[in-house]
Amino acid sequence: SQQGEEDPQALSIQEGENATMNCSYKTSINNLQWYRQNSGRGLVHLILIRSNEREKHSGRLRVTLDTSKKSSSLLITASRAADTASYFCATDAGYSGAGSYQLTFGKGTKLSVIP
Amino acid sequence: KAGVTQTPRYLIKTRGQQVTLSCSPISGHRSVSWYQQTPGQGLQFLFEYFSETQRNKGNFPGRFSGRQFSNSRSEMNVSTLELGDSALYLCASNTGTGGNQPQHFGDGTRLSIL
Repeated sequence: SQQGEEDPQALSIQEGENATMNCSYKTSINNLQWYRQNSGRGLVHLILIRSNEREKHSGRLRVTLDTSKKSSSLLITASRAADTASYFCATDAGYSGAGSYQLTFGKGTKLSVIP
Repeated sequence: KAGVTQTPRYLIKTRGQQVTLSCSPISGHRSVSWYQQTPGQGLQFLFEYFSETQRNKGNFPGRFSGRQFSNSRSEMNVSTLELGDSALYLCASNTGTGGNQPQHFGDGTRLSIL
């Protein structure tokens, strides 16, 4: 089952503008991750934010996490046509010595950046 | 380092047949996970293998199975294929130890059932 929802489902912006995508989830998490998927390809890991972190940056990406609201946002600044892709948030409920990795994904936001 | 490699990239089968998909993880990675991606259900976890043992399984019927070899390469098998099994099957790997690690995904196998 899906952990949460991304919002919006689709987003179309002009090159150079900022794009903001939101993600909500339902259960306690160890970390939240954002992935990008170009059409017909695999997922590319963008950024991981731990449950005790509130904000993280990587290049043009900024991720925030609010565990009290069970939500996260991904901001892409100065977007480029090459940023056109689907973006997914994924939650990791935690790993223990006897546990395993299992990501629970949202349904994604389809971003179109118009040149 | 080479990335996660999945073969084949595309596969066409008919209902009732069975299929085997292959995944070679990044060198040194011992955990391999499999996900199914469909337009309707999105990305769903199938199972995870670590050191040749299945550590976790998602909510899929027994027709879906997998295994992992001593070199960490993994295969998944789907028997008695149904139209609804048409999907992109993605494999991901990481070291399998310690928390807070990203998954590294392959480009997937696109399975079409006729």
